[in-house]
Amino acid sequence: QKEVEQNSGPLSVPEGAIASLNCTYSDRGSQSFFWYRQYSGKSPELIMSIYSNGDKEDGRFTAQLNKASQYVSLLIRDSQPSDSATYLCAVNPSSTRAGGTSYGKLTFGQGTILTVHP
Amino acid sequence: DADVTQTPRNRITKTGKRIMLECSQTKGHDRMYWYRQDPGLGLRLIYYSFDVKDINKGEISDGYSVSRQAQAKFSLSLESAIPNQTALYFCATSDTQGALGETQYFGPGTRLLVL
Repeated sequence: QKEVEQNSGPLSVPEGAIASLNCTYSDRGSQSFFWYRQYSGKSPELIMSIYSNGDKEDGRFTAQLNKASQYVSLLIRDSQPSDSATYLCAVNPSSTRAGGTSYGKLTFGQGTILTVHP
Repeated sequence: DADVTQTPRNRITKTGKRIMLECSQTKGHDRMYWYRQDPGLGLRLIYYSFDVKDINKGEISDGYSVSRQAQAKFSLSLESAIPNQTALYFCATSDTQGALGETQYFGPGTRLLVL
């Protein structure tokens, strides 16, 4: 089983629809979760981070975390063609150094390609 | 100016050659990372460094080496390039934020082709 797995794509949605991107992770002790967006040929950029169970909303984006199910998702409301990109789920593992400081390492999923068509 | 820069942006080399990819940052972050990205495989960690004297292997370090010349500079070397090292390479930085984990900021990437 991969450490971080995203729903297979590509995902295609019409403009204005809700795009749902899903991610599962294997390390039950993981504490921090991130969604990055990557346009073709560009570097990943952070769009959402979430640390607690439940929903976190930022504009048209909502991240949802369920640690019991080891599941994190990203919803994009009112999808726009400009949202067409690869979305990468990333998880900060539970390993820590003395003092509780995070290792800082991220494990990435393989990415889901999203296409929003007019 | 970009906070995280990588040079070169594109590189074509031949099998067996030694090459170096360089990364510089002006964000003042202690932590730096090198990843490679291959189609369908996401980002995989090659090496990471939490400060100048702390360098660690990632999940795919074989065939690579790194040097942390200063807080702001982190170089990746391919000692003897082989074709399956053809990939897109990203440098990233992050700042210590305690137990909640850290946001990583990525450079623009270096596209490497090994013939």
